[in-house]
Amino acid sequence: GENVEQHPSTLSVQEGDSAVIKCTYSDSASNYFPWYKQELGKGPQLIIDIRSNVGEKKDQRIAVTLNKTAKHFSLHITETQPEDSAVYFCAASIGNQFYFGTGTSLTVIP
Amino acid sequence: SAVISQKPSRDICQRGTSLTIQCQVDSQVTMMFWYRQQPGQSLTLIATANQGSEATYESGFVIDKFPISRPNLTFSTLTVSNMSPEDSSIYLCSVGEGGYYEQYFGPGTRLTVT
Repeated sequence: GENVEQHPSTLSVQEGDSAVIKCTYSDSASNYFPWYKQELGKGPQLIIDIRSNVGEKKDQRIAVTLNKTAKHFSLHITETQPEDSAVYFCAASIGNQFYFGTGTSLTVIP
Repeated sequence: SAVISQKPSRDICQRGTSLTIQCQVDSQVTMMFWYRQQPGQSLTLIATANQGSEATYESGFVIDKFPISRPNLTFSTLTVSNMSPEDSSIYLCSVGEGGYYEQYFGPGTRLTVT
């Protein structure tokens, strides 16, 4: 089955700096790659996603890149703010089967 | 995207008892999912619940322990039966929408078993 690895497990950045979280997947059949933000005490929130026929997608301060050849995708957050502090999960999906990474705890230091 | 609510939001239960978690969606959806998230961990799929068919359970999860109902297109329940402290987790329901089954999650139910 699909295996998704996520790095780093923890990340601390100064407010205003950029943060990058990377994921790799194993199954070339995966065709949809969402990113979720989970704040303390809440459910995961879909923040951005990318499909396998697209290499990059941007939404304000958040961008995702996908390299199908290398089977990796990354989340980029620019101009980080304290409210960006949360746990971020990547996922890869094949049909309705979602495979989640292990999460990255991001702390933005004011 | 669908708006999803769960009840209860949290509960503390005694060993050996059962708890039923409700998941309500504000629109009709075909696919619903139940996940478990242990403290500080990732999401583990328990089962897929489609209206009109039996739930499909993932390896390691059985119907006797986690019975699921899906009576209509906006509602589902997950029961955690004969609970032990190892069942202490966050239980999340989600719905799948669109051509890529984009998943949207409810707020979760935080269960502590003593």
